[in-house]
Amino acid sequence: GAVVSQHPSRVICKSGTSVKIECRSLDFQATTMFWYRQFPKKSLMLMATSNEGSKATYEQGVEKDKFLINHASLTLSTLTVTSAHPEDSSFYICSARDLGTYSYNEQFFGPGTRLTVL
Amino acid sequence: GNSVTQMEGPVTLSEEAFLTINCTYTATGYPSLFWYVQYPGEGLQLLLKATKADDKGSNKGFEATYRKETTSFHLEKGSVQVSDSAVYFCALAGSSYKLIFGSGTRLLVRP
Repeated sequence: GAVVSQHPSRVICKSGTSVKIECRSLDFQATTMFWYRQFPKKSLMLMATSNEGSKATYEQGVEKDKFLINHASLTLSTLTVTSAHPEDSSFYICSARDLGTYSYNEQFFGPGTRLTVL
Repeated sequence: GNSVTQMEGPVTLSEEAFLTINCTYTATGYPSLFWYVQYPGEGLQLLLKATKADDKGSNKGFEATYRKETTSFHLEKGSVQVSDSAVYFCALAGSSYKLIFGSGTRLLVRP
């Protein structure tokens, strides 16, 4: 089946530093990847839609300059949290759409990255 | 806009009990409907899906039927196991391919 990986799985950083999270589709090509944020015991909130070779589309209320998204290839998207603060601590999850299942709107999810900002 | 409403959790059941987790939706057009499961410390996994009215999605003993007349997609399982303990998310996807998630329902199955 379609597999999506994320790296790192956990990261702890100091306030003011930047953190990069990678999302890779391992066995399929993904023209579109999505980045979500999940707060403890809450649902997933879509942050942005990442399209290969073009700028990401951010959801209302998400700061573009704080959450930088790059989708450089059909198998890799990165999320960089710039100048991280404790309130950015969260579980970040990516997903990818498989070109082969285009008609079903199906997304495949990565295992998530737990970010803790001290 | 599109939205998904799930029953509040947690739901606590004994092993082999019958499970129902209610999910209703509001959407324009003809969305696809999904149930995702999240085990502790992990990302989401697709449990089942249905792409049109009256479709029944099924997997691992779980079932859900796309009911357009009641705008519902309730998740059911006839006999739950301890290993089914997880958080279950109902979701829909419209023409924009964005997934709209419900708030999630935590299921705890006791031996």
